[in-house]
Parts: sequence; structure tokens; C-alpha cells
Amino acid sequence: GAGVSQSPRYKVAKRGQDVALRCDPISGHVSLFWYQQALGQGPEFLTYFQNEAQLDKSGLPSDRFFAERPEGSVSTLKIQRTQQEDSAVYLCASSLVSSGGNTQYFGPGTRLTVL
Amino acid sequence: DQQVKQNSPSLSVQEGRISILNCDYTNSMFDYFLWYKKYPAEGPTFLISISSIKDKNEDGRFTVFLNKSAKHLSLHIVPSQPGDSAVYFCAAKRLNGNQFYFGTGTSLTVIP
Repeated sequence: GAGVSQSPRYKVAKRGQDVALRCDPISGHVSLFWYQQALGQGPEFLTYFQNEAQLDKSGLPSDRFFAERPEGSVSTLKIQRTQQEDSAVYLCASSLVSSGGNTQYFGPGTRLTVL
Repeated sequence: DQQVKQNSPSLSVQEGRISILNCDYTNSMFDYFLWYKKYPAEGPTFLISISSIKDKNEDGRFTVFLNKSAKHLSLHIVPSQPGDSAVYFCAAKRLNGNQFYFGTGTSLTVIP
């Protein structure tokens, strides 16, 4: 079956613009994660959903970042009033179960460049 | 505060030899560890994992070793193949937690 998909793959925004990044997880996967990966760094946790419930948003860097997963499948990460420091690859991952030694399956990421 | 560290940004190994990638962590609450492999323009792909109740887990050419007292784990690839050339990320979590903590990655080049 299809893996995790993300769109757009590349996004260029002017500083101050709002952006929306989409994630389509693997069908039936309960858990969904968003990560931010800056150049030369590892992925950093942003937020976690179990079905439609956002159980952990402790990694969101500011209140300009907002994520939702209203029907427990597709998720959108929205960044308002983008800043240059928001430039990064945003990765989405899903896993079948909600906790424990679950394997995460990553999408290809969206590379956001803020000018 | 980096809780998972990969101190070698890059590693080059001859084809057929062993590749050893290292990872250190600081949080003693971590009890589940994973290695991911990443090709350019793709997301990380799960490779192998180990829980803290074990000190070794093997899957084909890949073996992960865990030394809890030293808070250190390593990934061994034997024999190394050119297709193994990629960036390898170490990650850790608490088994009952949600957050995965990643290292900064090691770029492995296997020379034919």
C-alpha cells in the first residue's frame, strides 16, 4: 500500500505569509507525528496525534504553529506569519499503534524556505 | 539541550568491511532505541530497534548494541555495501512516551 505522503514537497514563502503543510498518513495508522528538521540537524519533535486528539504539542516552537487532524487521518500543520527561522524540512510520520515500541513511517517531508 | 548525540558527522568505509556508527544519550529514562536510514530527498526509514531489556539485536547485516551503563549504542553493518551509503540517525524514547529524540546523524559513505 501507499506510504506516508506530504504536500507540497517544496514551499517558498515570503516572510509574514501563512503556510499550510499537508500529511496523508498510512491508512489505519493511529498515531501521527510532526517533526522539524533544520539543516544539518536531526528531526525535532513538534506534536503528536492519537487519532484526532492532539495529545502532545510541547514541541511547537511558538503560537504561530498550529496542527490539526480533525477526522483522525489527514493532518495539516499551519504556520502563521512565517519567519526566516521557520525554514526547515517538515516531516510527518505515522505509526500503527499508539505507544510502546511502535515503528514510525516517515513521509518525504516538505522543504519550507522563508525569504 | 541535545539528549541524543552522534559525535561523528561522517564516516567512510571500504565495501565489504564493517561500518560502526555510534550514538550517546543523556536521559536515563530512555528505554527504547532506534536507528533510521535516510537517503537525500526522502524521509527517514526505520532500520532496527532495541529495547533496554536487551543488549543486542540483530537483523541480517545490521546489529545494534546497547550499553546502558555507558548510555551508548552502536550500529554495526557487516559487510558494508555501496547501497548502505546514507545518513543514519539514532533515536531514543521512553517506551510509554510519545516523543522521539533524534541525534544529528552520521553520513556513511561505502567506497566500492
